[in-house]
Amino acid sequence: AQSVTQLGSHVSVSEGALVLLRCNYSSSVPPYLFWYVQYPNQGLQLLLKYTSAATLVKGINGFEAEFKKSETSFHLTKPSAHMSDAAEYFCAVSPGNQFYFGTGTSLTVIP
Amino acid sequence: DVKVTQSSRYLVKRTGEKVFLECVQDMDHENMFWYRQDPGLGLRLIYFSYDVKMKEKGDIPEGYSVSREKKERFSLILESASTNQTSMYLCASARLAGVSGELFFGEGSRLTVL
Repeated sequence: AQSVTQLGSHVSVSEGALVLLRCNYSSSVPPYLFWYVQYPNQGLQLLLKYTSAATLVKGINGFEAEFKKSETSFHLTKPSAHMSDAAEYFCAVSPGNQFYFGTGTSLTVIP
Repeated sequence: DVKVTQSSRYLVKRTGEKVFLECVQDMDHENMFWYRQDPGLGLRLIYFSYDVKMKEKGDIPEGYSVSREKKERFSLILESASTNQTSMYLCASARLAGVSGELFFGEGSRLTVL
């Protein structure tokens, strides 16, 4: 069975501080992993994806994530938060023809 | 630019009404999905389709049906809307799940059932 756990439904950081959003997955097969971002009243857009190439994946808007098989984790980071990063973030795993999403983490950036 | 278009951004319906949510993609994708998004529950899969006239139940299909008569169009139908179906509905498409098959989402349809 496939599942995704996002630790922390709400995360607050100060502008300029490190952003760390946690994602752990379980998958019976080598997974493809994704991070999506959702701005208010919009659909989801892809931030980055892991497809079994490099374990450190760089995405848009300065975000990156590292795939750690031993820890079954795919945490999302950004060195310096910007006000425009305030949004909901979803981690997802796709072992095949379906996608499984975490429950999301709402990121607040404090000026 | 790739696009998934959902016909209605906001709808208000009454209990018992039939509701159609339309979704069109212009990327020639084989796979299309309908998700429901609720606070604290994330995205839950209602139905998906991997080809024209094909459909598969997701995690929460009860109270919903779907139609895919053309490759680019995937419709979600609420035969008799109920208040517990008040939610945000997201349509998505993908070429193939996996390597190149990330999901592309529409803007969402926020449905309120009174």
